[in-house]
Amino acid sequence: EPEVTQTPSHQVTQMGQEVILRCVPISNHLYFYWYRQILGQKVEFLVSFYNNEISEKSEIFDDQFSVERPDGSNFTLKIRSTKLEDSAMYFCASSREEQGQTGELFFGEGSRLTVL
Amino acid sequence: GQSLEQPSEVTAVEGAIVQINCTYQTSGFYGLSWYQQHDGGAPTFLSYNALDGLEETGRFSSFLSRSDSYGYLLLQELQMKDSASYFCARDQGGKLIFGQGTELSVKP
Repeated sequence: EPEVTQTPSHQVTQMGQEVILRCVPISNHLYFYWYRQILGQKVEFLVSFYNNEISEKSEIFDDQFSVERPDGSNFTLKIRSTKLEDSAMYFCASSREEQGQTGELFFGEGSRLTVL
Repeated sequence: GQSLEQPSEVTAVEGAIVQINCTYQTSGFYGLSWYQQHDGGAPTFLSYNALDGLEETGRFSSFLSRSDSYGYLLLQELQMKDSASYFCARDQGGKLIFGQGTELSVKP
């Protein structure tokens, strides 16, 4: 069964360093998302991406964050200068249709980011 | 408003039926999804309601009442493997807004 894959599974970084989290969405999906979940808390929307541009972003997704689809398969999240509060699990998700049609996203297993 | 309210935890016994309620704020609402998450892993889609009424998928059912801004997830014939976190999520068209999650513990 097709799945969303994410790398790395865990990254430890120093405050102020740049981090890139990578995702390979399901191949025939058109809509891509990043969510994050601070330990023990709810899953929070960061950004949605369609047709090679950002569709929507949350207040969390400030100038330190960026997303890119550098080729036909990868979807990346970059944090330019990490802060302690960026420590979280980052989930990539994809869907074939816009969410409003089915409410179903396919999530990857996540990349745990620890900022020291 | 984007908030959703659901109980923080529920405990039930194997074989029982449990209902997890979710109330939400209505602005920009397209539908209500339910997701299951085991031990902080990938959230897994369970069900979606865009219209009022009951959607049944095996042991899991989900209900929506748009007039009451309310929905629930019903889990029947509970199994130990159903112990997990369950999130309701409001669909705002371009994004899902998740509730805080309900930790379900299934006891033997």
